[in-house]
Amino acid sequence: GQNIDQPTEMTATEGAIVQINCTYQTSGFNGLFWYQQHAGEAPTFLSYNVLDGLEEKGRFSSFLSRSKGYSYLLLKELQMKDSASYLCAALSDSNYQLIWGAGTKLIIKP
Amino acid sequence: DADVTQTPRNRITKTGKRIMLECSQTKGHDRMYWYRQDPGLGLRLIYYSFDVKDINKGEISDGYSVSRQAQAKFSLSLESAIPNQTALYFCATSDLGRGSTDTQYFGPGTRLTVL
Repeated sequence: GQNIDQPTEMTATEGAIVQINCTYQTSGFNGLFWYQQHAGEAPTFLSYNVLDGLEEKGRFSSFLSRSKGYSYLLLKELQMKDSASYLCAALSDSNYQLIWGAGTKLIIKP
Repeated sequence: DADVTQTPRNRITKTGKRIMLECSQTKGHDRMYWYRQDPGLGLRLIYYSFDVKDINKGEISDGYSVSRQAQAKFSLSLESAIPNQTALYFCATSDLGRGSTDTQYFGPGTRLTVL
């Protein structure tokens, strides 16, 4: 079957670093996406990985290991505005649909 | 102006009523999607369309129908609304053209309450 797993909730401190993990099983694989979603708002695109390795974009980095079916999103120098849900999604190449995780709610404390 | 717009943004209706949610996009993307989001369940795909003549059911299409009136417009209808269709509904678009990664871009959402 097709499945995405990520932790339901995480807590971190302002200024610190947090890593949000995601494991996936899909029928074929054509890339891994991370989105940020503030409560009641639309998901917004953060990153896309299709090759193994680390992609860095400012304070946010995303890593992919295709052989392990594993990705993580790394957030550095946390700010209060980073409090949001982070959605992991894998693109299946069997039907070009995104398989979505339920999201990880990140709570930032001062 | 927003690239993906949804109307209405909020709607309260009664059981049995027909409801239409509309989505428009100015991104020029061929692919459009309708999702619903419920607390703790993440995004679930209702219908998707890869071009004007292509409509496909997603994982939870029962009770819903769609119309792709043009490349830029994709409407979702609830023929006879029921309370368990109360949710946040998102439209999204993507483009799998040359050099594209099929990244999906979302509208602001429609909060639907069925009483």
